[in-house]
Amino acid sequence: ETGVTQTPRHLVMGMTNKKSLKCEQHLGHNAMYWYKQSAKKPLELMFVYSLEERVENNSVPSRFSPECPNSSHLFLHLHTLQPEDSALYLCASSHAPGQQFFGPGTRLTVL
Amino acid sequence: QKEVEQNSGPLSVPEGAIASLNCTYSDRGSQSFFWYRQYSGKSPELIMSIYSNGDKEDGRFTAQLNKASQYVSLLIRDSQPSDSATYLCAVNPSGGSYIPTFGRGTSLIVHP
Repeated sequence: ETGVTQTPRHLVMGMTNKKSLKCEQHLGHNAMYWYKQSAKKPLELMFVYSLEERVENNSVPSRFSPECPNSSHLFLHLHTLQPEDSALYLCASSHAPGQQFFGPGTRLTVL
Repeated sequence: QKEVEQNSGPLSVPEGAIASLNCTYSDRGSQSFFWYRQYSGKSPELIMSIYSNGDKEDGRFTAQLNKASQYVSLLIRDSQPSDSATYLCAVNPSGGSYIPTFGRGTSLIVHP
């Protein structure tokens, strides 16, 4: 287990549900990231926060809403998702610039 | 647009052989280079980082960087079936950015 934790590890939700993914890092890093990884596809960077400010938003649909209340916590709020949003959602942190430490991921299934 | 290219594979090698994984990048000013290993259904984990031209060895792994030719490679000696995974190349671009660019990954299969 790394110093980056994610909850829940698995999530099944309907298209009308609202849920949130949580990420916490205990490494003292100053940057946190959300990635999406679909089957047989490469990592897709979604959001980057540095010192709690969003610095990157890679044209992610508004049904995904990030929140970074402090340098140790990162949330991804989900609402009105589509089945094609089913994927592994990975959180990572880094002491910028440097290697990234990934959490175990949340396996999301949208019915 | 900054790009990192990897052959998606699969690269199949027999147990005990040397596996060679390659990665090219487009941003000539890139400063930091990383290799991650990702087992199926798991998250990526760092196995090597390299910052200057030449070779860097860590156990059975050797990273090679050639900034003039803009490529970075990973050699795995004495490959084991447990090395079977997808290997991701990541490059931090110039300017001190902490937003890395990941390649698509190369699938490695080590067969007994």
